[in-house]
Amino acid sequence: DQQVKQNSPSLSVQEGRISILNCDYTNSMFDYFLWYKKYPAEGPTFLISISSIKDKNEDGRFTVFLNKSAKHLSLHIVPSQPGDSAVYFCAASARRDMRFGAGTRLTVKP
Amino acid sequence: EPEVTQTPSHQVTQMGQEVILRCVPISNHLYFYWYRQILGQKVEFLVSFYNNEISEKSEIFDDQFSVERPDGSNFTLKIRSTKLEDSAMYFCASSVSSEGSYGYTFGSGTRLTVV
Repeated sequence: DQQVKQNSPSLSVQEGRISILNCDYTNSMFDYFLWYKKYPAEGPTFLISISSIKDKNEDGRFTVFLNKSAKHLSLHIVPSQPGDSAVYFCAASARRDMRFGAGTRLTVKP
Repeated sequence: EPEVTQTPSHQVTQMGQEVILRCVPISNHLYFYWYRQILGQKVEFLVSFYNNEISEKSEIFDDQFSVERPDGSNFTLKIRSTKLEDSAMYFCASSVSSEGSYGYTFGSGTRLTVV
């Protein structure tokens, strides 16, 4: 199942700088896109979502951008903090299921 | 803050045995889900459940799997005859709405090890 892809397995940024996490999808029927954060030994935690009819949604330090024509979305974290270090999953939902990407491990260095 | 509770946190079972993974979703949530993550791989959708019936299921969710909401608070995943490849973290999730914007609340997972 490759409907949601995160091609970068890892990303390292300096504290205070911007983190940009990318995600691509193939299914045009997805109506919502979401980002989850996951720490070891915990379940994914919902961060932010965006409807397929919007191109941007912002919540504090987190902004998600959606480019429907490119079937691409990204999560921007500004400024990045060491506590943001985790695995970030992109997810997309259609009807009553949600599909996850493989995740990107973000490391924010002090 | 309300949370989804999963028990046990770790289950070891012999191949061919039946296992039941238990979940207590958030009390006012109406939609329930099971996902799994094989070590080093992506989080995979198994099944969604609403109004006491399965709404969607993936190709992974074959006849060996079943779900049940036996008493209005618990939500269980049963694997009838476990295989080695069923070893994974199993996550239960719930949501108040099927609308995707709300996101799901996940439990901390049950690590299933089949030996």
